[in-house]
Amino acid sequence: GAVVSQHPSWVICKSGTSVKIECRSLDFQATTMFWYRQFPKQSLMLMATSNEGSKATYEQGVEKDKFLINHASLTLSTLTVTSAHPEDSSFYICSARDFGEGQYEQYFGPGTRLTVT
Amino acid sequence: GQNIDQPTEMTATEGAIVQINCTYQTSGFNGLFWYQQHAGEAPTFLSYNVLDGLEEKGRFSSFLSRSKGYSYLLLKELQMKDSASYLCAVRDGTGYSTLTFGKGTMLLVSP
Repeated sequence: GAVVSQHPSWVICKSGTSVKIECRSLDFQATTMFWYRQFPKQSLMLMATSNEGSKATYEQGVEKDKFLINHASLTLSTLTVTSAHPEDSSFYICSARDFGEGQYEQYFGPGTRLTVT
Repeated sequence: GQNIDQPTEMTATEGAIVQINCTYQTSGFNGLFWYQQHAGEAPTFLSYNVLDGLEEKGRFSSFLSRSKGYSYLLLKELQMKDSASYLCAVRDGTGYSTLTFGKGTMLLVSP
């Protein structure tokens, strides 16, 4: 199956700083990538849909100015958590779908655990 | 809006069969997915249903009834490694085909 990578796998940062998380599709082109957040013992919550070459579409309640998404190429999307606070500590997971003919599966990256101190 | 319900926890013994149910009410429907997620890891794909009926893949089977807004995941010959959270997710009918996840069912398999 297709592979999606994320970097870093974990990061610890101080309150008020910014953190960038990268998501790459390694063997397919992803015109659309999705960013999720998962708090402990909770399900995945979609934050935004990232579209190559255009602005991301954010879900209701997600601050676009705090969670900056850039989808510069067909294989790379980045999520930057700006001015991070302890309540932003969470597991961030990206996914991508290969929109090729007959493809339906959505592939997930391994996730990035963010801890804000 | 989207609403997906599944039991919070289930327990079963090694070698047994377990069925995890999922009901959904969504504004659009373009397929239902089941994922397995171990603690601290990303979800891994298990099955996909878009038409009514049963899809079988090894020890795992998934069933869908669109008219009832109902699906189940059936796990046979349970193994200890099957202890994980099982997520039901519905794909909507929009152009982006976003997935909405249920809260997951934590399955504990005991010896």
